Amino acid sequence: GAGVSQSPSNKVTEKGKDVELRCDPISGHTALYWYRQSLGQGLEFLIYFQGNSAPDKSGLPSDRFSAERTGGSVSTLTIQRTQQEDSAVYLCASSLGQVRNTGELFFGEGSRLTVL
Amino acid sequence: AQRVTQPEKLLSVFKGAPVELKCNYSYSGSPELFWYVQYSRQRLQLLLRHISRESIKGFTADLNKGETSFHLKKPFAQEEDSAMYYCALRGRDDKIIFGKGTRLHILP
Repeated sequence: GAGVSQSPSNKVTEKGKDVELRCDPISGHTALYWYRQSLGQGLEFLIYFQGNSAPDKSGLPSDRFSAERTGGSVSTLTIQRTQQEDSAVYLCASSLGQVRNTGELFFGEGSRLTVL
Repeated sequence: AQRVTQPEKLLSVFKGAPVELKCNYSYSGSPELFWYVQYSRQRLQLLLRHISRESIKGFTADLNKGETSFHLKKPFAQEEDSAMYYCALRGRDDKIIFGKGTRLHILP
């Protein structure tokens, strides 16, 4: 596709349920990032994938959060046993690989998660 | 540890007045610094990066290693500059972290 695609765009769930958020990066981009955007907290780094290297999971706030990237392309962010404080916009971004990486991130429109 | 600090949550400036959005960073090494912008109902997008030393939409930013700052400046604000601005840092490991952002509001 032309840009980074995220789904769903909006998700309302009940506390305690699991949710999955999907990201389709730009074709050919080997780096993929997940961020959480909330009022007052700005853009919080969650996890970073680069090619076949082990992901940098240092930003995941708890073990309820996990992410996968299958085949070096599509990524899924999973939040188990959601809590109200998980409500936020989850942004995915991709960029070119390390060799040609200009550092520019291309963002999706985000998935807005509301936990009731 | 990598850290990006944007001290102002909200900055209100009259149209035609100068703008300065502050950004300070903490990093042991030579980072790459960026400014990203999010206009209303649009995706977050790159505004400029320090290695390019470019001016985009009249904005410039100079990396000051002594003060560990990368402030964003524009001499004359325009109404279309109203947006959310994020300063970002990329370290050796290519992890990119952002500050909490500053909302710029241009007053008519």
